[in-house]
Amino acid sequence: DVKVTQSSRYLVKRTGEKVFLECVQDMDHENMFWYRQDPGLGLRLIYFSYDVKMKEKGDIPEGYSVSREKKERFSLILESASTNQTSMYLCASSSTGTGGETQYFGPGTRLLVL
Amino acid sequence: EDKVVQSPLSLVVHEGDTVTLNCSYEVTNFRSLLWYKQEKKAPTFLFMLTSSGIEKKSGRLSSILDKKELSSILNITATQTGDSAIYLCAVFSGGSNYKLTFGKGTLLTVNP
Repeated sequence: DVKVTQSSRYLVKRTGEKVFLECVQDMDHENMFWYRQDPGLGLRLIYFSYDVKMKEKGDIPEGYSVSREKKERFSLILESASTNQTSMYLCASSSTGTGGETQYFGPGTRLLVL
Repeated sequence: EDKVVQSPLSLVVHEGDTVTLNCSYEVTNFRSLLWYKQEKKAPTFLFMLTSSGIEKKSGRLSSILDKKELSSILNITATQTGDSAIYLCAVFSGGSNYKLTFGKGTLLTVNP
């Protein structure tokens, strides 16, 4: 079974703090994704990566950066957290080739920025 | 810009009812449509549909794609309280980056 884990289930931070969210997958997947999920807005793609050290902006990259130094790990960084970044953050991974469109999700990190 | 629209946005039914959730899409170069179920945490994969008219089935859940109408439905028969969840529809339009475009989801509540 594919397993995607996220470093924290719940996180409370203060405005202006630097926040790191980590995601690890154990299926040797090439592709990894970071989404945020907000009521009424659905899942929105922040950044994704299709290889180590490679990254591409998604639909809402402003205020975020990412790092992928190892294939299994994809980090989302909030350089200076703001209250409008309070949200549920979901990480996902997928393979390339046949069936690669199926993404497998981690349990999510619920971030509250005060 | 690719677009996926789900309806209804929310639905409340009683146990035993049958429900139909809808997903329509406007994408360039459609390749496949996926359904996910999200309870309290991670979305879990249900179905992937690529061919029109072929029903995919898993227990009480079934789904079918209509490429002519650019839509898909997800049916749940004899609903149970454990079916309460957000159901997400996503479309893959090809490309080497394997991005999915998600709809906003349908919140299904099944009351006992």
